[in-house]
Amino acid sequence: EAGVVQSPRYKIIEKKQPVAFWCNPISGHNTLYWYRQNLGQGPELLIRYENEEAVDDSQLPKDRFSAERLKGVDSTLKIQPAELGDSAVYLCASSRQGWYGYTFGSGTRLTVV
Amino acid sequence: AQTVTQSQPEMSVQEAETVTLSCTYDTSENNYYLFWYKQPPSRQMILVIRQEAYKQQNATENRFSVNFQKAAKSFSLKISDSQLGDTAMYFCAFMTSRGNKLVFGAGTILRVKS
Repeated sequence: EAGVVQSPRYKIIEKKQPVAFWCNPISGHNTLYWYRQNLGQGPELLIRYENEEAVDDSQLPKDRFSAERLKGVDSTLKIQPAELGDSAVYLCASSRQGWYGYTFGSGTRLTVV
Repeated sequence: AQTVTQSQPEMSVQEAETVTLSCTYDTSENNYYLFWYKQPPSRQMILVIRQEAYKQQNATENRFSVNFQKAAKSFSLKISDSQLGDTAMYFCAFMTSRGNKLVFGAGTILRVKS
């Protein structure tokens, strides 16, 4: 089966500009996750979707971050406006039953200058 | 809240040798899941091995095995016959029995030398 697909792979933007990341999960995986991984650290959950519903967005900085998952398949994560501290790798993952582990995409490396 | 601690920022091992990566965690739950993920320079997180807390038997996947000590809340990864392709960042992760959130440690960089 095809893996989790993310785009773009790299993105460099100036601070205060908007940016969006896209994720296509594995077919049949109802749960989708966005994680942020700062340099030299482990990933941290930003938001979790069950189908179209965001069921855990407690760690999402809602003043500048937004996400959507239309029709319970693809998802987009947006930052507007970006700040220097947003530079990180943004990972998308999906699962059918989470306790078997998640399948991750290759991530988007964001650099804000 | 659950926390995961990896106390070794970096480790090195000679090719064909054995190396053990350490992980401890903190939780008040009795049923949960533990994972080791590998992240090579390509950035994709790859599941290496998984352990269910209610199982006493340590999980094994080919050259990878774990030493799960539930009372000590310890979950170490042993890599036997290390290969150059094992060079990567390794993350220990915890998940509650609800299966709805993976919590990661800070990672250990493993370098396999020829």
